Amino acid sequence: DTAVSQTPKYLVTQMGNDKSIKCEQNLGHDTMYWYKQDSKKFLKIMFSYNNKELIINETVPNRFSPKSPDKAHLNLHINSLELGDSAVYFCASSQVRGPYGYTFGSGTRLTVV
Amino acid sequence: AQKITQTQPGMFVQEKEAVTLDCTYDTSDQSYGLFWYKQPSSGEMIFLIYQGSYDEQNATEGRYSLNFQKARKSANLVISASQLGDSAMYFCAMREGLRGSARQLTFGSGTQLTVLP
Repeated sequence: DTAVSQTPKYLVTQMGNDKSIKCEQNLGHDTMYWYKQDSKKFLKIMFSYNNKELIINETVPNRFSPKSPDKAHLNLHINSLELGDSAVYFCASSQVRGPYGYTFGSGTRLTVV
Repeated sequence: AQKITQTQPGMFVQEKEAVTLDCTYDTSDQSYGLFWYKQPSSGEMIFLIYQGSYDEQNATEGRYSLNFQKARKSANLVISASQLGDSAMYFCAMREGLRGSARQLTFGSGTQLTVLP
């Protein structure tokens, strides 16, 4: 049973396209996150949702739009993809009140050509 | 200022020996949590160990231990009896604020550990 699952695992697309990455967690956690890992392996928070409410929105181009239909799902839609968007995107989840752990998905490697 | 600093971009260790990966942090919060994650070449993020700011004992999980020195704001990871499978990127991370807050993790730049046979 996968705790945090992301699809797709790999995504290759042309500049200018619009794409989505989906994330689902079956841990009953109430908070979900999107992180971006760049080519130098640096991980940076992009967004965070708590019970479907956006609580963290870092300085990210507005071409990136998260959507949380329910607390088990957090999707990331990217419009007008650019070369610089190429990275690995990780979804993660945690529980505000309860165990301290953050569980990560396996990542989505996005390549913009 | 960097909140999490990992000063060792790369480390080598002989198999079966111990290795320490350095991590210093910067926060003005009294309540915070420190985490270590392992990222093998396959890419997934694997949780290793956690230390809360109020925990008096250093955390241990199997071969992993966290050398927590609060006054120095350091949280070094010690891996004992290194194995070839320990070769990976290791990230130190911090959650600021109380545990009951929906706070994100802030990551360091990572240390690439290579275990030599």
